[in-house]
Amino acid sequence: DGGITQSPKYLFRKEGQNVTLSCEQNLNHDAMYWYRQDPGQGLRLIYYSQIVNDFQKGDIAEGYSVSREKKESFPLTVTSAQKNPTAFYLCASRPTGRLGYNEQFFGPGTRLTVL
Amino acid sequence: AQSVTQLGSHVSVSEGALVLLRCNYSSSVPPYLFWYVQYPNQGLQLLLKYTSAATLVKGINGFEAEFKKSETSFHLTKPSAHMSDAAEYFCAVSDGNLKTSYDKVIFGPGTSLSVIP
Repeated sequence: DGGITQSPKYLFRKEGQNVTLSCEQNLNHDAMYWYRQDPGQGLRLIYYSQIVNDFQKGDIAEGYSVSREKKESFPLTVTSAQKNPTAFYLCASRPTGRLGYNEQFFGPGTRLTVL
Repeated sequence: AQSVTQLGSHVSVSEGALVLLRCNYSSSVPPYLFWYVQYPNQGLQLLLKYTSAATLVKGINGFEAEFKKSETSFHLTKPSAHMSDAAEYFCAVSDGNLKTSYDKVIFGPGTSLSVIP
């Protein structure tokens, strides 16, 4: 089955540690996105990538880093510089053929908790 | 710049009653509009999308939405609410314009729908 997978589903981190959230898709989509979701705040864009080896900062990129070495994979690292990382993280992908036309496909999310 | 507003962060309806979730957008070019649903601790799922083919768009689970350019609105409706409709609903806009948005998708803050038995 085609889709997007995120792992792990739940992640606990001690303060000062970097952690990496995995996002993999087998939909052959060019574009991939990372969002952060906090209660009552909707989705906020962290990073996005339109093509392999290229990515752009979103609205809240500080304290996060990404890589896009393969079309299928777009891992997100939450660094110790992110002051309040506890949140629900969503990864999405989207075909780019006709700009703006296509919907995003979302993964099941990773809930990160800082202890 | 694009933006999306959703009037009412929380809406409660009785089972069997009409569901109306409001969405207004701002876009400098003709937009593409989307409604997504999110159940607790899950990702978002597409309900329907407007891509200029028809102003009244039908989606999954009996939902539909009407694009009104004069009102810059894309409200989501369902004639009869079911208990399983209780979820968070997000409206989103995309204009596909590399110069203005780099093809980003802008989400509204969401509306939480409760269905009362």
